Amino acid sequence: GQNIDQPTEMTATEGAIVQINCTYQTSGFNGLFWYQQHAGEAPTFLSYNVLDGLEEKGRFSSFLSRSKGYSYLLLKELQMKDSASYLCAVRHSWGKLQFGAGTQVVVTP
Amino acid sequence: GAVVSQHPSRVICKSGTSVKIECRSLDFQATTMFWYRQFPKQSLMLMATSNEGSKATYEQGVEKDKFLINHASLTLSTLTVTSAHPEDSSFYICSGTSGTGELFFGEGSRLTVL
Repeated sequence: GQNIDQPTEMTATEGAIVQINCTYQTSGFNGLFWYQQHAGEAPTFLSYNVLDGLEEKGRFSSFLSRSKGYSYLLLKELQMKDSASYLCAVRHSWGKLQFGAGTQVVVTP
Repeated sequence: GAVVSQHPSRVICKSGTSVKIECRSLDFQATTMFWYRQFPKQSLMLMATSNEGSKATYEQGVEKDKFLINHASLTLSTLTVTSAHPEDSSFYICSGTSGTGELFFGEGSRLTVL
């Protein structure tokens, strides 16, 4: 079985930083993904971590600790267009990708 | 980057009819295709995994006779919702991988059953 937990909603102001945490319990871990999804659209890939540590990509960074079953997505210099749902997804060793419920980020002026 | 083309993007049908959704990988060979369903304000729920040339593996609670998946070639997979009912109204989305690890999503199909 597998559990993936992330907060339901977070609100932050434009220009601020927001950190979205994701904890998971799984067997056969083979990487953790973060996706951004705007309402009514397909998810878009943000980041992929398979080893422990921080991956930085522009305004977005993602961290993974496999021993703790923990990841976070850090969004810096928030912009209004960053208002979206952010999905944490864990991949099994046999390839299946399981999604968390998503965190709705609301950016206010 | 690689592209998965999914059609139709929106479909409205009457209760009791069948609807087919297609996903085509345009510039890679999708050895595996995952089919997801997403209800409003919920996350993507995996329905089934299909490997080219094999029968699909369905997740628990997903009726294989209702959601027919065909993956006859490395560039085409289809999902047919048979005898659709209003509770089947949802956002259906496919994602393909060539086995390299990267996963590419289709644009999604919004199904409304009247």
